[in-house]
Amino acid sequence: NAGVTQTPKFRVLKTGQSMTLLCAQDMNHEYMYWYRQDPGMGLRLIHYSVGEGTTAKGEVPDGYNVSRLKKQNFLLGLESAAPSQTSVYFCASSYALAGGWTKNIQYFGAGTRLSVL
Amino acid sequence: QKEVEQDPGPLSVPEGAIVSLNCTYSNSAFQYFMWYRQYSRKGPELLMYTYSSGNKEDGRFTAQVDKSSKYISLFIRDSQPSDSATYLCAMLDSSASKIIFGSGTRLSIRP
Repeated sequence: NAGVTQTPKFRVLKTGQSMTLLCAQDMNHEYMYWYRQDPGMGLRLIHYSVGEGTTAKGEVPDGYNVSRLKKQNFLLGLESAAPSQTSVYFCASSYALAGGWTKNIQYFGAGTRLSVL
Repeated sequence: QKEVEQDPGPLSVPEGAIVSLNCTYSNSAFQYFMWYRQYSRKGPELLMYTYSSGNKEDGRFTAQVDKSSKYISLFIRDSQPSDSATYLCAMLDSSASKIIFGSGTRLSIRP
């Protein structure tokens, strides 16, 4: 049981390049999330999904797009990378079959370190 | 004002000390409280969770919630160098629809 897996682990981009970050979970979770973590800023929600085929904006969505074509995968895209998008990106998922409020406990991947030059 | 405030630290204590980590919050609708631990260059992992007020103990860790003061704490007894990490508090409102994370406190345990 791998939990939440993120690829790639590291990436360096030049300004204006595009890339896609992949998140995969094997816990049959309904909800998936993308966060960015910057020093002193904590975790900030970029986009999230409450089920296959759905996406919604979070706190800092500008410059990012997402897709949830399959329940187990959640993709984060940067169409034209900017230095301000240099960050560590975390994917998380929630809604275990145990139910109750604990279904909203989020489980995180190991992160993707992205540098935009 | 942020909904959840957490002192970023860093906090450095000697091995064996009792550690107290805290968060304050402003939204009285928060009912569910969690602590995550994040090791360097890793993702956050759930450490403990509690509902409403009171204490919850798990080994060397105790989570405490004081809803009247809008204040939560995580105590670590007999701290070990392996406890060195960033600790994030997190909260859910009563409808369990929105999770808010604190910015994290960096903790270092000196051998």
